[in-house]
Amino acid sequence: AQSVTQLDSHVSVSEGTPVLLRCNYSSSYSPSLFWYVQHPNKGLQLLLKYTSAATLVKGINGFEAEFKKSETSFHLTKPSAHMSDAAEYFCVVSDRGGKLIFGQGTELSVKP
Amino acid sequence: DAGVTQSPTHLIKTRGQQVTLRCSPISGHKSVSWYQQVLGQGPQFIFQYYEKEERGRGNFPDRFSARQFPNYSSELNVNALLLGDSALYLCASSQRAAATGPQETQYFGPGTRLLVL
Repeated sequence: AQSVTQLDSHVSVSEGTPVLLRCNYSSSYSPSLFWYVQHPNKGLQLLLKYTSAATLVKGINGFEAEFKKSETSFHLTKPSAHMSDAAEYFCVVSDRGGKLIFGQGTELSVKP
Repeated sequence: DAGVTQSPTHLIKTRGQQVTLRCSPISGHKSVSWYQQVLGQGPQFIFQYYEKEERGRGNFPDRFSARQFPNYSSELNVNALLLGDSALYLCASSQRAAATGPQETQYFGPGTRLLVL
């Protein structure tokens, strides 16, 4: 069965400093992995997705994630945080039927 | 182009009542999925429909049902509401059945927030 574990429920950074949101996955086959962001009272927006084409995936708003099979990880990073990045972030794996399986979420706070 | 739209945005019901939530997919998308997001948790898969047929069902009781119409819009029905059904209900659409490729991107609507009293 597929699953994801987000290692931090809350991350706090200062504006202009790097962001690291950690995600480990479990999959019996080559997974499809996604990061979604959810701003307060809004729906989910796709940041990026991994589909085995390249291990380093670039997304929107300066975010990127690296797929590491040996570590079963898919951590999300951004070199410099902006106040508008404050939101809830979800690491997601897709099963073969296309069902999305979400992690518990990481709340990112950005301090001025 | 309009994104995924859902109605209503908010809803208050009492225990035992029934509710119908509506979703219109992005134009050209033929697959719709429903997810339930309880406060403080990640979304949980409820249903997936493609070409008006159910293609997947999550671990939810039979009180939950859905259907997809010829124009690919969808309705989610919940009968005999319980307090625990209070949640944000999200609809997502994709061009093809997600089963055609797990990497098929699903685009989410803003959700319907249901409160059961």
